[in-house]
Amino acid sequence: SAVISQKPSRDICQRGTSLTIQCQVDSQVTMMFWYRQQPGQSLTLIATANQGSEATYESGFVIDKFPISRPNLTFSTLTVSNMSPEDSSIYLCSVGTGEPYEQYFGPGTRLTVT
Amino acid sequence: GQNIDQPTEMTATEGAIVQINCTYQTSGFNGLFWYQQHAGEAPTFLSYNVLDGLEEKGRFSSFLSRSKGYSYLLLKELQMKDSASYLCVFMDSNYQLIWGAGTKLIIKP
Repeated sequence: SAVISQKPSRDICQRGTSLTIQCQVDSQVTMMFWYRQQPGQSLTLIATANQGSEATYESGFVIDKFPISRPNLTFSTLTVSNMSPEDSSIYLCSVGTGEPYEQYFGPGTRLTVT
Repeated sequence: GQNIDQPTEMTATEGAIVQINCTYQTSGFNGLFWYQQHAGEAPTFLSYNVLDGLEEKGRFSSFLSRSKGYSYLLLKELQMKDSASYLCVFMDSNYQLIWGAGTKLIIKP
């Protein structure tokens, strides 16, 4: 398993601003992912954070809106840019440990955009 | 397309047994997971099935039938702390996780 921390745990932001969420893992991991979970909904994968190269985005998510960095094997950031109320959600970082492909999640960042 | 169906909510009694069913439709399959998510918390891994049959882990068991596109999570000796959402997740042919909406399980004394 892996221990994952996220900062901030929650924030309230104004429309049009940006927020950067940090994800720190206590060990080196190959795969890191960013998810969004809106109230009462399932998880939606935003992107896979690749170390040393651009993130791989899922359909409906673009780099200009959700730029991601992954400078090393233990750290990643997700920025939510030019926020609108529709971006209000919980953002979750997760890591994959390989076989059997299970993922471990950080505690999440609860974002409210006003 | 790819789709997961599981009940939205279930209620059970402390000490009893409950089975949460999940059906899926997919063009490829590399395994099925169950995650537990307490309100306001992140999901935590419970089980992984890639072959047909029953996997038992303490009070929790997970079953898979690939031919039927069906899985269930069986929880025995229910405790109040088991009140949570249970997410059925499958891994498609590209090793992407497809998440179900979850089943909210309410345990009553």
